[in-house]
Amino acid sequence: KQEVTQIPAALSVPEGENLVLNCSFTDSAIYNLQWFRQDPGKGLTSLLLIQSSQREQTSGRLNASLDKSSGRSTLYIAASQPGDSATYLCAVNAGGTSYGKLTFGQGTILTVHP
Amino acid sequence: DADVTQTPRNRITKTGKRIMLECSQTKGHDRMYWYRQDPGLGLRLIYYSFDVKDINKGEISDGYSVSRQAQAKFSLSLESAIPNQTALYFCATSDPGQVHGELFFGEGSRLTVL
Repeated sequence: KQEVTQIPAALSVPEGENLVLNCSFTDSAIYNLQWFRQDPGKGLTSLLLIQSSQREQTSGRLNASLDKSSGRSTLYIAASQPGDSATYLCAVNAGGTSYGKLTFGQGTILTVHP
Repeated sequence: DADVTQTPRNRITKTGKRIMLECSQTKGHDRMYWYRQDPGLGLRLIYYSFDVKDINKGEISDGYSVSRQAQAKFSLSLESAIPNQTALYFCATSDPGQVHGELFFGEGSRLTVL
């Protein structure tokens, strides 16, 4: 059974710092991995999706990498801002097909203080 | 307007009551999902549907049922609600013809069972 773990569970940093969120998964036979952001009382917003054949994806100040063989992904946030404060979730699609039976990690709660 | 809309957003009910959570989408996606989020447990898949005639159980389907009334509508029912079904429920959609396996979430329905 696929298990997804996110470290750290919570992170508090001053504005402007570069930071890394970690996601590990136990079964390397994944189809893709998706990073989401969740704001309090809100739904999940997709940030980046990495296919199993890809090594990284970038969107603005965000960069996600994938090392399938070691079962790891990282989300790098450059020059953090207070508006980045949210819960970040990673999820793997391990079914080998493009359907949404995602396995989620428990999330990293990020606080960026001014 | 949101592409994936859930109603109600908040609901408080009593043990034994029947509850329906509704989801509608304007994205034109064939695939729809219901997830449940509990603190410390991440999101878990309850049911999913690949088209109007296709319904599948997810990881935690016991105590739940679903109905796919149309391509755009997917409802989740709790026939006899119990307190441990208190959670945040999310509807999601995906289209395999687009970015492979990317999911789009509604803003969630918070259910409290007393």
